[in-house]
Amino acid sequence: QSVVTQPPSVSGTPGQTVTISCSGSNSNIGSHYVYWFQQLPGTAPKLLIYGDNQRPSGVPDRFSGSKSGTSASLAISGLRTEDEAAYYCAPWDDSLRGYVFGTGTKVTVL
Amino acid sequence: QVQLQQSGPGLVKPSQTLSLTCAISGDSVSSNSGAWSWVRQSPSRGLEWLGRTYYRSKWYNDYAVSVKSRINISPDTTKNHFSLQLNSVTPEDTAVYYCAGELTPHTGLHVWGQGTTVTVSS
Repeated sequence: QSVVTQPPSVSGTPGQTVTISCSGSNSNIGSHYVYWFQQLPGTAPKLLIYGDNQRPSGVPDRFSGSKSGTSASLAISGLRTEDEAAYYCAPWDDSLRGYVFGTGTKVTVL
Repeated sequence: QVQLQQSGPGLVKPSQTLSLTCAISGDSVSSNSGAWSWVRQSPSRGLEWLGRTYYRSKWYNDYAVSVKSRINISPDTTKNHFSLQLNSVTPEDTAVYYCAGELTPHTGLHVWGQGTTVTVSS
């Protein structure tokens, strides 16, 4: 059971904005950068956000990250069918002395 | 463009050692800014970071508390790869194992291997 929790699922229609929350503690989100990953079925995770709110080259600006205190969020605007995937947040954790992945959120495009 | 290519057996017997290798192209395992990790994924445990190795004038390792007593991640500078050894495996270690690289500090696990399904069974 991860120490960083996410809602199991969120859904939206094409064009909508959906937001995924990521809740942690002072030993992880409260004191370290948060990273976000997208995972399509049968593939390796793909980095979407680093440093709380930075996008790697090639990631559309429809994806945005934010953080406040011990919580973080990933927003997907202009939702598209190809955004249907699992999304994970992953901060470093001082107590566990390593990266900790969130429980994951499945995004469904209705 | 950095790429990671994994290799290793897909079946390991209980109590034995799981060994996987990740070959790096487009970067160096000895890079003073990179860090090289192993991550696994199973239905019961989700995504789990296992540990990493990195070079900052000397070699360092960080290991997840959950596996610290039985894991070793080591670089091979001559072959430009890094390896995972997980000792005394049980069926709970059955998972898809990924290698991943963070190319510069605080930029995240930017590049991933293709994944290796490892089953622990007699």
